[in-house]
Amino acid sequence: DTGVSQDPRHKITKRGQNVTFRCDPISEHNRLYWYRQTLGQGPEFLTYFQNEAQLEKSRLLSDRFSAERPKGSFSTLEIQRTEQGDSAMYLCASSLGRGSYTFGSGTRLTVV
Amino acid sequence: AQKITQTQPGMFVQEKEAVTLDCTYDTSDQSYGLFWYKQPSSGEMIFLIYQGSYDEQNATEGRYSLNFQKARKSANLVISASQLGDSAMYFCAMRDPGAQKLVFGQGTRLTINP
Repeated sequence: DTGVSQDPRHKITKRGQNVTFRCDPISEHNRLYWYRQTLGQGPEFLTYFQNEAQLEKSRLLSDRFSAERPKGSFSTLEIQRTEQGDSAMYLCASSLGRGSYTFGSGTRLTVV
Repeated sequence: AQKITQTQPGMFVQEKEAVTLDCTYDTSDQSYGLFWYKQPSSGEMIFLIYQGSYDEQNATEGRYSLNFQKARKSANLVISASQLGDSAMYFCAMRDPGAQKLVFGQGTRLTINP
């Protein structure tokens, strides 16, 4: 098991474009989380899946954001009509039950 | 609402010295968990140590120990015999029993000087 994988590592996009990030969790982990981290801050919770069900969403997750985990394995996070304020590191984590979380290396998004 | 406060934006320490990173928390729950993560420049959050609110002993993991003072609501991370590779951002985080998410502090940037 190679840990939590995130793709791409870096993404530069023009304002108004749509972007999609992928997260592959540790295979036996049933819980998957997305966090956003802006420069100089700690990560902030965005959303959480248990298997394929999205059980919690932060108010930070505006209508332009959508996340899926279609078969309870990998997850995607899509941002529509990107804004400069969306520039951040997007971190994915997974866990088995309420055990410790394993984080990926993140996707750094820059909106220009 | 839960809140984590890390009051040291940056710390500079000589190699081989011990270092204490401060963390205070605020919660009305009696049961909660406290975590410390290391984030090197590569971006990955690396789990270091965990302390449950009902754990009687302070947690230790190799060179890392957690100085847990429940009455003062503090959970300071102690790194013994610091190494150059310890240079990174360090985050304290909390999880309450009813939630799945972690709440993070703003972090402390630790720099180890040779």
